[in-house]
Amino acid sequence: NAGVMQNPRHLVRRRGQEARLRCSPMKGHSHVYWYRQLPEEGLKFMVYLQKENIIDESGMPKERFSAEFPKEGPSILRIQQVVRGDSAAYFCASSPPWRGEQYFGPGTRLTVT
Amino acid sequence: SQKIEQNSEALNIQEGKTATLTCNYTNYSPAYLQWYRQDPGRGPVFLLLIRENEKEKRKERLKVTFDTTLKQSLFHITASQPADSATYLCAHDGGSQGNLIFGKGTKLSVKP
Repeated sequence: NAGVMQNPRHLVRRRGQEARLRCSPMKGHSHVYWYRQLPEEGLKFMVYLQKENIIDESGMPKERFSAEFPKEGPSILRIQQVVRGDSAAYFCASSPPWRGEQYFGPGTRLTVT
Repeated sequence: SQKIEQNSEALNIQEGKTATLTCNYTNYSPAYLQWYRQDPGRGPVFLLLIRENEKEKRKERLKVTFDTTLKQSLFHITASQPADSATYLCAHDGGSQGNLIFGKGTKLSVKP
């Protein structure tokens, strides 16, 4: 049973470009979460999605960031017009319904030059 | 706002001893607390979940306690090994529908 998959593992973008991060949840998991981790800081929640629905996006910056989890295919976190401050590790997690624990992917390390 | 704090940034212990990590929370009464392990360059790995009506939970060499009066959870690793060296994160639900609020973590180093 494959775990949570994220790609790419490393992504380098120049300021002003777009970054697309992908996440495939574990088989049987219908809930997806995105977190951001900055150096020397804790994991910060960004958004919680179920298939075709955004449940909670209270942690998402209001501009440039968006997320989706379509009926078919992976969840996508999209960052438009990246800035240096977007450089971080972005983790996706999934969980089955009615379970509190979350299962994390290996992360995507975004570097903005 | 809800806060969750792990008092020690780092903890160094000798192999074979028991490691005890502390997690405190304020401004909220969580339904459960969770503990994760994170190795450098990797995603967090779920270890244990303890609910508010549970005082203690065990899994192999790991033990977690939950004291709702002190608003504190303790995480113990008995008979620690160098392979236990990692950063340990505590988290709670924050009253939301599913997202977790994490502490900054405690970096545990077990010396042989």
